[in-house]
Amino acid sequence: QQQVKQSPQSLIVQKGGISIINCAYENTAFDYFPWYQQFPGKGPALLIAIRPDVSEKKEGRFTISFNKSAKQFSLHIMDSQPGDSATYFCAASIRAAGNKLTFGGGTRVLVKP
Amino acid sequence: DTEVTQTPKHLVMGMTNKKSLKCEQHMGHRAMYWYKQKAKKPPELMFVYSYEKLSINESVPSRFSPECPNSSLLNLHLHALQPEDSALYLCASSQVGRGRYGYTFGSGTRLTVV
Repeated sequence: QQQVKQSPQSLIVQKGGISIINCAYENTAFDYFPWYQQFPGKGPALLIAIRPDVSEKKEGRFTISFNKSAKQFSLHIMDSQPGDSATYFCAASIRAAGNKLTFGGGTRVLVKP
Repeated sequence: DTEVTQTPKHLVMGMTNKKSLKCEQHMGHRAMYWYKQKAKKPPELMFVYSYEKLSINESVPSRFSPECPNSSLLNLHLHALQPEDSALYLCASSQVGRGRYGYTFGSGTRLTVV
């Protein structure tokens, strides 16, 4: 059972454009939603995270929007740059249950110059 | 020091070999994790250690044996692996406690079983 569904699988955006990645979850017990960025040959790096009592969080060019009633959350990358080309994973966890992360399937983002 | 260091970076082993993967962090994190990642797939949790005790084993085959000798080190002992075990093995760590949940991942060990 895939508990976190991520779309699209891949995304091509022009430099300066907006990249939007969506995730949907099933388990209402999830209470922590991070996004990770992974470059080839590297481990995932925490990008930004949100708790369900907040509807939006912004850090620089990266924004998470969270819709608790719809059980959906999304990542917006504003002013996308070629250096943002990477694979992005959404994830979810239950903080009281060992902080075990359940990952979405990933989105490969390519930013064209 | 804000890194998780994994060694070796690459490992090729035969199906009858015994090898170990090592992971080290000096951030004072008391939770450590092993994940397995196949190409173009998300990481999959294998084991979780909390305060040096195994707290989660995701039904991993016994040919993978984790060990946490102290709060800074995490090992994964490998024995009699299969070619399908070839993958990127990621170690991660995090603080334990309310409000402290972000993982720091290492760069991984690329394992090839021949």
